[in-house]
Amino acid sequence: AQTVTQSQPEMSVQEAETVTLSCTYDTSESDYYLFWYKQPPSRQMILVIRQEAYKQQNATENRFSVNFQKAAKSFSLKISDSQLGDAAMYFCAYRDGGGSNYKLTFGKGTLLTVNP
Amino acid sequence: DTEVTQTPKHLVMGMTNKKSLKCEQHMGHRAMYWYKQKAKKPPELMFVYSYEKLSINESVPSRFSPECPNSSLLNLHLHALQPEDSALYLCASSQRLAGGADTQYFGPGTRLTVL
Repeated sequence: AQTVTQSQPEMSVQEAETVTLSCTYDTSESDYYLFWYKQPPSRQMILVIRQEAYKQQNATENRFSVNFQKAAKSFSLKISDSQLGDAAMYFCAYRDGGGSNYKLTFGKGTLLTVNP
Repeated sequence: DTEVTQTPKHLVMGMTNKKSLKCEQHMGHRAMYWYKQKAKKPPELMFVYSYEKLSINESVPSRFSPECPNSSLLNLHLHALQPEDSALYLCASSQRLAGGADTQYFGPGTRLTVL
């Protein structure tokens, strides 16, 4: 079974600085997708960024970028120019690419605090 | 528009009550999901509907009864719940169930408290 590990239960960053959240996963599949979701205190899970395993290029969405290392099975999230609104629980998630692969496997989450 | 709406935002119910949670999306998505999330934990999948048919039941107790009346609407009927069922219930939708990079979009959730 696939597993997703987020080794940092909590992280903090100063406003305007850069922070990197770690995620590793275990799979025997070659076709899969990786996601970072953000869940602020308002509770809604918001998609931050998505990466297809077959793409070598790291995904980027504005201030958010990933460092996808397929061989190492690592998928870290870098937040640049951190803002107070970035404070949230961040979940890394994995999904197989083929067939009826409905299931998202989540990591345990990293709680990010942004200090003014 | 990637909006999934859920009502109510908060719900308090007794163990003998019957209540329902509602989820709606107008993105034309044909797969819809119910998740349960305890505090500071990741969401746990409960049910999956594909084209208005129940595809997956992750061994959820029968006191939770899902319903998909049409392609835009998903309900979760609650009856005889236990205090340990208190949690945030999240709804999500995706374009389809099978294959591809179909992203799941989540609603804001219903905070359920069972007394």
